[in-house]
Amino acid sequence: NAGVTQTPKFQVLKTGQSMTLQCAQDMNHEYMSWYRQDPGMGLRLIHYSVGAGITDQGEVPNGYNVSRSTTEDFPLRLLSAAPSQTSVYFCASSYSNSNFWATGSNYGYTFGSGTRLTVV
Amino acid sequence: GENVEQHPSTLSVQEGDSAVIKCTYSDSASNYFPWYKQELGKRPQLIIDIRSNVGEKKDQRIAVTLNKTAKHFSLHITETQPEDSAVYFCAASGWGGYQKVTFGIGTKLQVIP
Repeated sequence: NAGVTQTPKFQVLKTGQSMTLQCAQDMNHEYMSWYRQDPGMGLRLIHYSVGAGITDQGEVPNGYNVSRSTTEDFPLRLLSAAPSQTSVYFCASSYSNSNFWATGSNYGYTFGSGTRLTVV
Repeated sequence: GENVEQHPSTLSVQEGDSAVIKCTYSDSASNYFPWYKQELGKRPQLIIDIRSNVGEKKDQRIAVTLNKTAKHFSLHITETQPEDSAVYFCAASGWGGYQKVTFGIGTKLQVIP
């Protein structure tokens, strides 16, 4: 089990460039999400998905797109990079808690190793 | 939406002492409350969690308590060690199809040898 794999680990972009942060998990988790982490602001939810073909916005979705064509992959696209998007990005996955009371599964997140993005 | 407040933002304790981090949440529908530890430069990792049908859970030196009426939950670390130094995040989420996890702002814990 590789867990949650994020690539790249580091990236420098110029303002206006676009790119895709990759995220893949091999734990058959239904739920996947993207967070950004900035000093003093904790982890803020960008987008999330409860299964293939289903995505929704989080707290800070502007400037980012996502899609979920398979259970395993959940890429995050920066459409036109801005300096305000300089941050550390984490992908995370977990089991869906739709059977929360019926099963003893662990519903906590498994995080990827993060992508440190700098936009200049 | 859910709002999670966490305090203190920084906490320094002497090795061997106890540390307590407190969180409050706003949405009474939330029923899952995990805690994550993030060491410097690394990813957050789940250390303990509690569900709304339980008031307390313990795992060796760490424990979490939940007061649903007051909408607050706390992390307790006993006999702290230098390796406990990290940033700790609390979180809250509901259940059902569109579970959204909201994090607190984090507490930087420093254990002084």
